[in-house]
Amino acid sequence: ETGVTQTPRHLVMGMTNKKSLKCEQHLGHNAMYWYKQSAKKPLELMFVYSLEERVENNSVPSRFSPECPNSSHLFLHLHTLQPEDSALYLCASSQDQGNTEAFFGQGTRLTVV
Amino acid sequence: GQQLNQSPQSMFIQEGEDVSMNCTSSSIFNTWLWYKQDPGEGPVLLIALYKAGELTSNGRLTAQFGITRKDSFLNISASIPSDVGIYFCAGRRTGANSKLTFGKGITLSVRP
Repeated sequence: ETGVTQTPRHLVMGMTNKKSLKCEQHLGHNAMYWYKQSAKKPLELMFVYSLEERVENNSVPSRFSPECPNSSHLFLHLHTLQPEDSALYLCASSQDQGNTEAFFGQGTRLTVV
Repeated sequence: GQQLNQSPQSMFIQEGEDVSMNCTSSSIFNTWLWYKQDPGEGPVLLIALYKAGELTSNGRLTAQFGITRKDSFLNISASIPSDVGIYFCAGRRTGANSKLTFGKGITLSVRP
């Protein structure tokens, strides 16, 4: 139990579907992150939220839309995805944005068909 | 851009053996982290290093922050089957909002 919970664990969606990934952290952290993990590539940072404000968007296509309603919850809304978006999407949190130790959720394995 | 290099991509060892992995960069980092990821799970933090030259242990794992601040090493002693997984290094440079940079990871297989 890492204190960061992601749902669903697995998701298969068509290119015309709209779905959302959910992340919840029970650690009292102020910063939350979305990462994309593809095979044979380093973890790619997508979005950073600090105190519910988006502080970083790493040139992520608009078909990915994050939402942070409070410091414990983070969503990633998906629409009109492409097959190359299939990957493991990881949520992480840290005490503050500059804090080094990030704790990860178990990830959502996304397959776009 | 900043890159962390981990090689080889895969390592195969016999149960009971020790194994060493390293992580190198052309840039200086002020913090080094080592994570392990089991299949179908998220990365779990193993060891964090904050000072050049620091040597830190966590059970059978030992990690060192290189003196040059451009590398770090992770050693696993007396490997067991549950050590299989992907080992990632990560580094952070100075600055309050600097990002974590991750290596591509090394997949470790342990033969019983």
